[in-house]
Amino acid sequence: DGGITQSPKYLFRKEGQNVTLSCEQNLNHDAMYWYRQDPGQGLRLIYYSQIVNDFQKGDIAEGYSVSREKKESFPLTVTSAQKNPTAFYLCASSAGTSGSKFFGPGTRLTVL
Amino acid sequence: GEDVEQSLFLSVREGDSSVINCTYTDSSSTYLYWYKQEPGAGLQLLTYIFSNMDMKQDQRLTVLLNKKDKHLSLRIADTQTGDSAIYFCAARSNTGKLIFGQGTTLQVKP
Repeated sequence: DGGITQSPKYLFRKEGQNVTLSCEQNLNHDAMYWYRQDPGQGLRLIYYSQIVNDFQKGDIAEGYSVSREKKESFPLTVTSAQKNPTAFYLCASSAGTSGSKFFGPGTRLTVL
Repeated sequence: GEDVEQSLFLSVREGDSSVINCTYTDSSSTYLYWYKQEPGAGLQLLTYIFSNMDMKQDQRLTVLLNKKDKHLSLRIADTQTGDSAIYFCAARSNTGKLIFGQGTTLQVKP
């Protein structure tokens, strides 16, 4: 079955630690995205990548970093510079930037 | 700037129709989407409409688009308890950027 997987589903970290969230897709999609979801605020775009080895900042990139070394994978690192990292993180992919986006199941990050 | 607005909460009785409304500001929006999010899960694409259409029907779902007023609605016929979820409206600009509304929580009472 084609789809997007995110792991882990729940993640707990101490304040000041970097943490990396995994996102993998086997849909052969070129474009991948990371969104952050907070209650009552909808989804906000963190980073996106239209092609391997290339990525752009979204609306709230500060405190986050990404890499796109393989078409299937787009990991997100939440660094200690992110002031309020506790949130639900959603990864998505699309065939191109004009295609419909398909979402993974999400990772809930809690920083203690 | 670009913005998408939705009411935050809707409560209906099982078997009734639900209508979730959305307004957007970017008149160059090319596609408009409805996503469903169940508790603790990702977003599931329900349906979408191209900006040159004014209606799209897919089984129990009907999407209406009033491009002049920049108003989009999602009607769910014969609403079931399994339809309880958060529904997100999203507008895609001609640059490909997708702007999401805050989400409408649909509560279906038995």
